[in-house]
Amino acid sequence: SYVLTQPPSVSVAPGKTARITCGGNNIGSKGVHWYQHKAGQAPLLVIYHDVDRPSGIPERFSGSNSGNTATLTISRVEAGDEADYYCHVWDSSPDHGDVFGTGTKVTVL
Amino acid sequence: QVQLQESGPGLVKPSQNLSLTCTVSSGSLTSGSYFWSWIRQPAGKGLEWIGRIYSSETTNYNPSLKGRVTISMNTSKNQFSLKLRSVTAADTAVYYCARGGNLAIALDVWGKGTTVTVSS
Repeated sequence: SYVLTQPPSVSVAPGKTARITCGGNNIGSKGVHWYQHKAGQAPLLVIYHDVDRPSGIPERFSGSNSGNTATLTISRVEAGDEADYYCHVWDSSPDHGDVFGTGTKVTVL
Repeated sequence: QVQLQESGPGLVKPSQNLSLTCTVSSGSLTSGSYFWSWIRQPAGKGLEWIGRIYSSETTNYNPSLKGRVTISMNTSKNQFSLKLRSVTAADTAVYYCARGGNLAIALDVWGKGTTVTVSS
C-alpha cells in the first residue's frame, strides 16, 4: 500500500516560515491535499491539488509537489497556526484508496 | 453552506457492530459529483481513511478494513452510514464524516466528529 511520510514535528518562531514535507513514491504524479487539524475540531482543508487554496485560507499557506516530496509552506507563522497538519492523496494502485500522511505537529515557539 | 453531523452510540461492546450516521444539511447527497467519506482518528494517532461512497452508491474501502466495513446511503433522509463489524478496542477512535469531489478529491467539508469507545 502507498505510504506518505511526514516529520513528526516542526517548531517555528512567530513571523518565520514553517515547511512541512510529505514524502511518497513519485508523489509528484499525484494531487496532494493538506489539512490543518486542531484538537477538538474538525480538520480544515488548507491546500488542494498541490497548490490551490480554498476560499478563506490565507495566502500565507502555499504548497508545492515534485518528485518524491510535497511541501506545505506556512509563511509569517502566527500562534493560531499551531496544529497538526496532514497530507492526503488518492492512490490509484490495485489496493486503491485515500491515504493520509503520518501527520506533523507544528509548534509555534 | 453544507454541514455534516455524525451520530450514533458512543460505546460499543467488543465483537459487536459499530453503526454511525452522517446527516447532510443545506445540500443534497446526490447533487454534483460529490462523494462522501468516513475517516477516523484513534487517540494519539493520525487520520485513517475508512471508505467513501459516491452518489451512484459505488464504494471504496480501506483494504485494511475490507470485509468488516460497509458504507451505505439513504437519499430520502439525506444521510450516509458506516457499519463496522466485529469491533475490538483498536476501533476506538473519533469518527469523522466528510465530503469530497468539490475541489478535486480533497475533503472540503467535515463533520465535527463523534467519539466511539469499544469496551465491555
